[in-house]
Amino acid sequence: EAGVAQSPRYKIIEKRQSVAFWCNPISGHATLYWYQQILGQGPKLLIQFQNNGVVDDSQLPKDRFSAERLKGVDSTLKIQPAKLEDSAVYLCASSSRKEMVDEQFFGPGTRLTVL
Amino acid sequence: GNSVTQMEGPVTLSEEAFLTINCTYTATGYPSLFWYVQYPGEGLQLLLKATKADDKGSNKGFEATYRKETTSFHLEKGSVQVSDSAVYFCALSPQGSYIPTFGRGTSLIVHP
Repeated sequence: EAGVAQSPRYKIIEKRQSVAFWCNPISGHATLYWYQQILGQGPKLLIQFQNNGVVDDSQLPKDRFSAERLKGVDSTLKIQPAKLEDSAVYLCASSSRKEMVDEQFFGPGTRLTVL
Repeated sequence: GNSVTQMEGPVTLSEEAFLTINCTYTATGYPSLFWYVQYPGEGLQLLLKATKADDKGSNKGFEATYRKETTSFHLEKGSVQVSDSAVYFCALSPQGSYIPTFGRGTSLIVHP
C-alpha cells in the first residue's frame, strides 16, 4: 500500500511570510497527526485529527498556525506569519486505530527553513 | 506531565558489537511504549512496541522489555550492522489516550 505522502519536501521562506504543507495519509486511516521536529529533538505533536474533527491541538500555536482536514482525508498545515523559530521538519503521520495501541505511519517530512 | 528521557548520542559502535540505548519514562498508570527508527532522509518507522508490564517487544533482532518497576524500556541488539545506523526514538502513549510523547532521539553510528 502507498505510504503517507507529504509535499513539498523542502521550503525556504523569509520571516513574516506564509507557508503551507500538505499531507495525504494512508488510504482508510481515520487518524492524522502533525508534528514539529526541531533539529536535535524528538517530534512534538501539534494537532491530531480523527476523521475531520480535532482530537487535540493543545500544543498548536494558534496565533500563527492553523490546520484543516475538511473531507477527513488529506490535510493542510499553515503558518502565517512565520518566525525564525519555526525552522524545523514538519512530519505528518496517520493511523487506523484498529487496535488499542496506536501504531503511526510517518511521511518523509517537510524541512522548513525560515530566514 | 508525561516525559521520555533517552541517553545522549551519538552512540558509535563497530559492526557486530552489542547495543544498548537507555530509555526511561514518566507517566501515570500503564502507558504503551514504543521504539521508532529514522533512517537518513526518511520518516520515522515503528521498530517495536510493548503494551503492558514485562512485555517484550522485538523486531529485526532488536528487543526491549517494559519494566514498570524501573519505568524503563531500554533497546538492545546483540550484533549491530552498518545498516542499523539511524536515529532511534523512544515514545510513550498514555493509558486511555492516543497523544504520544517522544524522546529526543539517539543517533547510532555503526562502523564496518
